[in-house]
Amino acid sequence: QSALTQPASVSGSPGQSITISCTGTSSDVGSYNLVSWYQQHPGKAPKLMIYEVSKRPSGVSNRFSGSKSGNTASLTISGLQAEDEADYYCCSYAGSSTPVVFGGGTKLTVL
Amino acid sequence: QVQLVQSGAEVKKPGASVKVSCKASGYTFTSYGISWVRQAPGQGLEWMGWISAYNGNTNYAQKLQGRVTMTTDTSTSTAYMELRSLRSDDTAVYYCARVFVITFGGVIVNDYFDYWGQGTLVTVSS
Repeated sequence: QSALTQPASVSGSPGQSITISCTGTSSDVGSYNLVSWYQQHPGKAPKLMIYEVSKRPSGVSNRFSGSKSGNTASLTISGLQAEDEADYYCCSYAGSSTPVVFGGGTKLTVL
Repeated sequence: QVQLVQSGAEVKKPGASVKVSCKASGYTFTSYGISWVRQAPGQGLEWMGWISAYNGNTNYAQKLQGRVTMTTDTSTSTAYMELRSLRSDDTAVYYCARVFVITFGGVIVNDYFDYWGQGTLVTVSS
């Protein structure tokens, strides 16, 4: 069982927007703005998409955005494209005893 | 450009040890840390720990304490992860990742992983 809870799957049609939630607790997501999101295509290494809740690394499309409310972080992808189909993982700092926790991952299907 | 290149796939018997390498290039090795993350077949990501390439300090996930050792060789910009007493549930793809760290409340913590190696499949089977 992962420390952060994500939906197992989400889907959307090209051009639509989708949001993936990542629910933690007051000990991780709720206490620190150290949430990051990773995209992973099959057989590939993860790729950083969002860091510190809402910051986008250079080279990542502005169709990807992040936010947080309370113990839940969210990744929104607007203008869905076929190449966005992948697994997405959230990650958070969780304190000194369990420094890093990941969500279980969400499979995004572009219909 | 930043690159992390990992060693090749390994097959080990239960009880054996494995050591995976991760050679960094394209940046000043000692200015960042290296984290290790594994992914069992069909499963999610699991953080194993990290090492500061600056001073060699480490922080391991509690469930792996006593079985894992992370080291670096700054002369070759290479990080290593050794896992001992291998079990079948250690079968996974092991990734190294460059970690950006910050000081938070006087503690150095992992912020995010901005570059990843290609992964090394470790299979544990009798």
